Amino acid sequence: NAGVTQTPKFRILKIGQSMTLQCTQDMNHNYMYWYRQDPGMGLKLIYYSVGAGITDKGEVPNGYNVSRSTTEDFPLRLELAAPSQTSVYFCASTAGHTGDTEAFFGQGTRLTVV
Amino acid sequence: GEDVEQSLFLSVREGDSSVINCTYTDSSSTYLYWYKQEPGAGLQLLTYIFSNMDMKQDQRLTVLLNKKDKHLSLRIADTQTGDSAIYFCAEILPTGGYNKLIFGAGTRLAVHP
Repeated sequence: NAGVTQTPKFRILKIGQSMTLQCTQDMNHNYMYWYRQDPGMGLKLIYYSVGAGITDKGEVPNGYNVSRSTTEDFPLRLELAAPSQTSVYFCASTAGHTGDTEAFFGQGTRLTVV
Repeated sequence: GEDVEQSLFLSVREGDSSVINCTYTDSSSTYLYWYKQEPGAGLQLLTYIFSNMDMKQDQRLTVLLNKKDKHLSLRIADTQTGDSAIYFCAEILPTGGYNKLIFGAGTRLAVHP
């Protein structure tokens, strides 16, 4: 059981380039999330999804887009990379939205924009 | 507002107890969590406590919750080198649509011989 899998693990982008961070989970979870983790800061929610075909903005959505065509996959798209998007990105999923459900995290994608 | 604060660094000797502290601001939190992040890995849930409890024990881990002061702590007994990691405190806020998890900045625990 792989859980939440993110690819790639590392990436260096030039300013203005675009890329997609992939996230897939095999636990049949309805809820999926993208967070970014900046040094000395807690995780900030970028986007989330409550099921296939449904996505919504989190706290810091600017510069990102998401889609959720299947239950398993929740890719995060950066269209015009900026240095401010240098961060570690984590994808997570939960079975439900009550507090006693555990959030499972991927291993993270370390992105540097130069 | 919504804010979770933790000290950024803690150093302990192997075999001693570690106590990591956290304060939060939103009294409507229903659950509070401790996550562990090892180098190069994602966050892993260590334990959680429901907001109507004041203590939870799980083997070497003890969570204490002071709801009046909005203070949460994680005690690790007999700390080992394998406990070296970043520990994140988080609270969950009731919203209509999703688990709104608010994370602290993380406390880096260093265990030395």
